[in-house]
Amino acid sequence: DVKVTQSSRYLVKRTGEKVFLECVQDMDHENMFWYRQDPGLGLRLIYFSYDVKMKEKGDIPEGYSVSREKKERFSLILESASTNQTSMYLCAISPAGAHDEQFFGPGTRLTVL
Amino acid sequence: KNEVEQSPQNLTAQEGEFITINCSYSVGISALHWLQQHPGGGIVSLFMLSSGKKKHGRLIATINIQEKHSSLHITASHPRDSAVYICAVRAFGNEKLTFGTGTRLTIIP
Repeated sequence: DVKVTQSSRYLVKRTGEKVFLECVQDMDHENMFWYRQDPGLGLRLIYFSYDVKMKEKGDIPEGYSVSREKKERFSLILESASTNQTSMYLCAISPAGAHDEQFFGPGTRLTVL
Repeated sequence: KNEVEQSPQNLTAQEGEFITINCSYSVGISALHWLQQHPGGGIVSLFMLSSGKKKHGRLIATINIQEKHSSLHITASHPRDSAVYICAVRAFGNEKLTFGTGTRLTIIP
């Protein structure tokens, strides 16, 4: 079974705090993705990584950064959290190549007060 | 206009009814995915298809590449089918997915 774990299911932070969301996989897949999901907007891609230390901006990278120091771990960083970053954050993985499904983690519901 | 449009946005039906959820897209694609998201957030991949039809249990997915349209059907629907169903497409040469906003399905016993 594919296992994608995220560090927290629920997280509450204050405006201005630095926030780390971690995603860990056990499948040795090359590609890792961070999405946010908001009502009426669907999933939107923040960043993705196709290899260790490689990253590419998605559709909404502003206010976020990422880190991939090891193949199994992909971190999403909110340098200074703001209330408009309150959302559900989902990590996904897939093998290299454009023809494979993505496997999702359980999600982290982040609330920024 | 979104690249991926789903209809309906919300659907409520009685147990046992035949369910159809539609997805239209505007770009050339290499694959289309149907995903299921239960309350609590976890997303599960149901189908990935690039042509024709796939079936898994009571679920059937079809795609018409010429018309840029896909449908997800559920036969003999059951309350445990209640979830959000999401369509996503992968454009040619792209590792990224573009998602529809989802269809919230509620099956009443």
